[in-house]
Amino acid sequence: EIVMTQSPATLSVSPGERATLSCRASQSFSSGLAWYQQKPGQAPRLLIYGASTRATGIPARFSGSGSGTEFTLTISSLQSEDFAVYYCQQYNNWPPFTFGPGTKVDIK
Amino acid sequence: EVQLLESGGGLVQPGGSLRLSCAASGFTYSNYAMTWVRQAPGKGLEWVSSISGSADSAYQADSVKGRFTISRDRSKNSLYLQMNSLRAEDTAVYFCAKHPVAHVGHAPIDSWGQGTLVTVSS
Repeated sequence: EIVMTQSPATLSVSPGERATLSCRASQSFSSGLAWYQQKPGQAPRLLIYGASTRATGIPARFSGSGSGTEFTLTISSLQSEDFAVYYCQQYNNWPPFTFGPGTKVDIK
Repeated sequence: EVQLLESGGGLVQPGGSLRLSCAASGFTYSNYAMTWVRQAPGKGLEWVSSISGSADSAYQADSVKGRFTISRDRSKNSLYLQMNSLRAEDTAVYFCAKHPVAHVGHAPIDSWGQGTLVTVSS
């Protein structure tokens, strides 16, 4: 089973600033990595798949990168609606599909 | 527009059973793999079970193997999760989710329902 870890657990950022979220896998894989955003009381929403491809309707300020065991989600200029919890998930080696524990992005 | 609407959650005693349903609309249901993901209160996301579009393959997490069964009904555009021998640690919001491919695996989840809360307590 691939174990996913995320850092930091909480990221405090001011609106307009850049946010960089990290996701690390216990085993190397190429691109079966997704990022999801979840706001309180809501379902998660797909942001990025294939490590770097934005899902339909996702603003260009969200970008993903990485391969192997290190992946990154970057939000170039944080908007008020971006404050949420972000999860990475690997779907390369399954079952099981595994999620990271999440990074909470809150207002500084 | 893809819509996934879960139902069937509620309060159940330890050792009891519950059947969750998910009504799907807005897409050709049998063409896509489906998944259940759960989230315990204040915790992260945990994959539970997945089934292929044709229902010829299904997978479960070790934590629910032998207790939970995923199924789907093409005629009703519905997904189900039969949960038996429930434990306190099964308490969570259960999300119904869709993949953009027919076969399970090698694809993310591209749509989610709003979830249904299952509480296991005496």
